[in-house]
Amino acid sequence: GDSVTQMEGPVTLSEEAFLTINCTYTATGYPSLFWYVQYPGEGLQLLLKATKADDKGSNKGFEATYRKETTSFHLEKGSVQVSDSAVYFCAQTKRGGSYIPTFGRGTSLIVHP
Amino acid sequence: DGGITQSPKYLFRKEGQNVTLSCEQNLNHDAMYWYRQDPGQGLRLIYYSQIVNDFQKGDIAEGYSVSREKKESFPLTVTSAQKNPTAFYLCASSLDRRSYEQYFGPGTRLTVT
Repeated sequence: GDSVTQMEGPVTLSEEAFLTINCTYTATGYPSLFWYVQYPGEGLQLLLKATKADDKGSNKGFEATYRKETTSFHLEKGSVQVSDSAVYFCAQTKRGGSYIPTFGRGTSLIVHP
Repeated sequence: DGGITQSPKYLFRKEGQNVTLSCEQNLNHDAMYWYRQDPGQGLRLIYYSQIVNDFQKGDIAEGYSVSREKKESFPLTVTSAQKNPTAFYLCASSLDRRSYEQYFGPGTRLTVT
């Protein structure tokens, strides 16, 4: 079935370092792709999305580009802050045309001062 | 402010007892969802409801039950038949069944001993 694979964490960085969190998907067709963020003890919040190939989603300095040829949607940020420490989830719209997302396992990001 | 509330934030129960988790939204959303989150496993869909008085099983519905008598409320009952009920439970909503973006509540951490 359709699935989303994320790089395992935790990813540990120093403040102002460059961030990449890899995400690949397996859905056929043209799913919509998302990144959600979960801060400690909270629910998930939508960070950014892309609904068609070559779209770039961006928000709060984070970016991800929908790459159909590599079935990827990697999350990037040029300069991370301590406040970016959280768990990041990649997601795609679910199989069978349903609009319910399938989530990856999440990648924990820890940013040190 | 519009949003989703889940209560309580922490819940403790003895094995063999049923327990009901509350989820309320004032976003006027048609669709609501319950997810279970376990460390390293991402989010797994338990039940969802796309309209009042209707709901469908998700990927891991066994041992759970729901009701959707009102648009704003979607309570989840964890029954004694659920073999591993200790987890973090997240409720979410979306505008309607065709909306990609989900809005999450803060979650309830259930511990069963």
